Amino acid sequence: DGGITQSPKYLFRKEGQNVTLSCEQNLNHDAMYWYRQDPGQGLRLIYYSQIVNDFQKGDIAEGYSVSREKKESFPLTVTSAQKNPTAFYLCASSIRRKPNSPLHFGNGTRLTVT
Amino acid sequence: AQKITQTQPGMFVQEKEAVTLDCTYDTSDQSYGLFWYKQPSSGEMIFLIYQGSYDEQNATEGRYSLNFQKARKSANLVISASQLGDSAMYFCAMSSNNAGNMLTFGGGTRLMVKP
Repeated sequence: DGGITQSPKYLFRKEGQNVTLSCEQNLNHDAMYWYRQDPGQGLRLIYYSQIVNDFQKGDIAEGYSVSREKKESFPLTVTSAQKNPTAFYLCASSIRRKPNSPLHFGNGTRLTVT
Repeated sequence: AQKITQTQPGMFVQEKEAVTLDCTYDTSDQSYGLFWYKQPSSGEMIFLIYQGSYDEQNATEGRYSLNFQKARKSANLVISASQLGDSAMYFCAMSSNNAGNMLTFGGGTRLMVKP
């Protein structure tokens, strides 16, 4: 079955450490996205990528970095510069430049930094 | 800039009754799309329904329908015959043809279905 896999489901890190969240898709989608969700709130866009080797900052990119070396993979690194990294992170993908195409989401990674 | 507003933080509905979840939006784009997603307590985001800004008819998908009023900039979700499994967070989201498929999300509404 095609879909988006995010791993791990839960992640714990000490403050000051960088951590990388994995996102892999086998839907053959060109576009991929990272969103952050805080408790009781909506999703906010961190980074997005429309094609391989290209990505753009979203609304809250500070303290995060991404890479898009392969079409299937879009890992997100939460750096020590991110002031409040504890959150639920959702990866998504979609068909590029087809506005009525919904985003397909992974099951998310819950990151806790202490 | 686009903005989505969901004014109902939480709502209760009796099982088997219909419920309307409100969503208003703000955009200067002429061409855009409106989406509704469901998020159960497990966290995954489930796509429910889509409405394009140029679609003349309201979208329907099974028990879900979207009440689209373009002049009022509203895109309310109507769930008919509520079921216990409908209890979840519901998010309204918007895309713009000028910005690819990126979605801007509202703050969500928590729906609780009472038996």
